[in-house]
Amino acid sequence: QTVVTQEPSFSVSPGGTVTLTCGLSSGSVSTSYHPSWYQQTPGQAPRTLIYSTKTRSSGVPDRFSGSILGNKAALTITGAQADDESDYYCVLYMGSGIWVFGGGTKLTVL
Amino acid sequence: QLQLQESGPGLVKPSETLSLTCTVSGGSISSSTYYWGWIRQPPGKGLEWIGNIYYSGSTYYSPSLKSRVTISVDTSKNQFSLKLNSVTAADTAVYYCARQVGPFDYWGQGTLVTVSS
Repeated sequence: QTVVTQEPSFSVSPGGTVTLTCGLSSGSVSTSYHPSWYQQTPGQAPRTLIYSTKTRSSGVPDRFSGSILGNKAALTITGAQADDESDYYCVLYMGSGIWVFGGGTKLTVL
Repeated sequence: QLQLQESGPGLVKPSETLSLTCTVSGGSISSSTYYWGWIRQPPGKGLEWIGNIYYSGSTYYSPSLKSRVTISVDTSKNQFSLKLNSVTAADTAVYYCARQVGPFDYWGQGTLVTVSS
């Protein structure tokens, strides 16, 4: 079974730029996987940030952007702020109606 | 504004069936645009997609849970439901319901279900 991979943790300085990635244990991520990204803070439901690779959800600041970088989907945060410190999850469409989440990345802003 | 609310027992005994309902308000579950899904998150761990259902009753399930999961819909009540049978401690998690239009765009607040005797 194909696993969706994410960095377990990442840190960024306030005002800095960070790129989180979402890959596959076997193969490359393309737009056909319809990657989407979610932000979750402790005790809260996830919040949709990006869908269909690069479309920002309503109300999401434009410092969040999505793309395909090499063989992975990517979420870039430009000008990181303290309240960006969260867990970030990607999810990919595997075909045949099946969706799979990545393991999540814990982002620290310090 | 669309809202989703999970409900059901917070404690289930091992080997029994976990049953949850998601009530949708502020919109119709019978919309042809959306699927309605279940996602879970064990304490301290990541999100796991369980499956989803279309208003017509068409379903898709995670291969890892398919043998134990049933998702159903009641359009008259604007609700959809999850049943997970033969539960073990590994099924202890916060269970979320969500509207799915490709991505998940609206989420319930989640409900913790603990499997314990």
